[in-house]
Amino acid sequence: LAKTTQPISMDSYEGQEVNITCSHNNIATNDYITWYQQFPSQGPRFIIQGYKTKVTNEVASLFIPADRKSSTLSLPRVSLSDTAVYYCLVASRDTGRRALTFGSGTRLQVQP
Amino acid sequence: KAGVTQTPRYLIKTRGQQVTLSCSPISGHRSVSWYQQTPGQGLQFLFEYFSETQRNKGNFPGRFSGRQFSNSRSEMNVSTLELGDSALYLCASSLRATSSYEQYFGPGTRLTVT
Repeated sequence: LAKTTQPISMDSYEGQEVNITCSHNNIATNDYITWYQQFPSQGPRFIIQGYKTKVTNEVASLFIPADRKSSTLSLPRVSLSDTAVYYCLVASRDTGRRALTFGSGTRLQVQP
Repeated sequence: KAGVTQTPRYLIKTRGQQVTLSCSPISGHRSVSWYQQTPGQGLQFLFEYFSETQRNKGNFPGRFSGRQFSNSRSEMNVSTLELGDSALYLCASSLRATSSYEQYFGPGTRLTVT
């Protein structure tokens, strides 16, 4: 099974760039790495996914090195509304079946 | 488009009872996954269904089971409830079961076992 490691918490200020890294070993060769955002009392919300190198959408960028043993979610110019918990999700192969593993989550606190 | 809906939103059960939770995916989505979220263990994958077939299963005891119907709606069942089963149970749907996990989550069912 894949093991994932994320920082427990991070603090930032409005307007700054925030980078959250997830380390993941033993991930499946052909699966994407996905990141989610979760606010209290809500289900996680999809942010971005990637397979390798760099992916960018309207809210974030995702950097994945060639060995795919980690991924970094980059949030440009955060605002107070970005205060949330961020999770990485990876897949691994276990006796032929795909096992999904969420990271433990990084609690981002954005200050004014 | 309506989002993922889960019923009930809150549930209180007694140890030893069984419970059934329901999930209606986004229209057109054929894949449904279930997750358990607790403060201690975080988000843990339970199982994934696609076209009424269980495709993947997490590391949970056999007391946890699920099924998917022909209209893609899904149910999960927990039998012989234990105190440790108290958690937020989340359902997520996606268009298809591929290596891409762009899933859309429902608000969850908060289960309390006393």
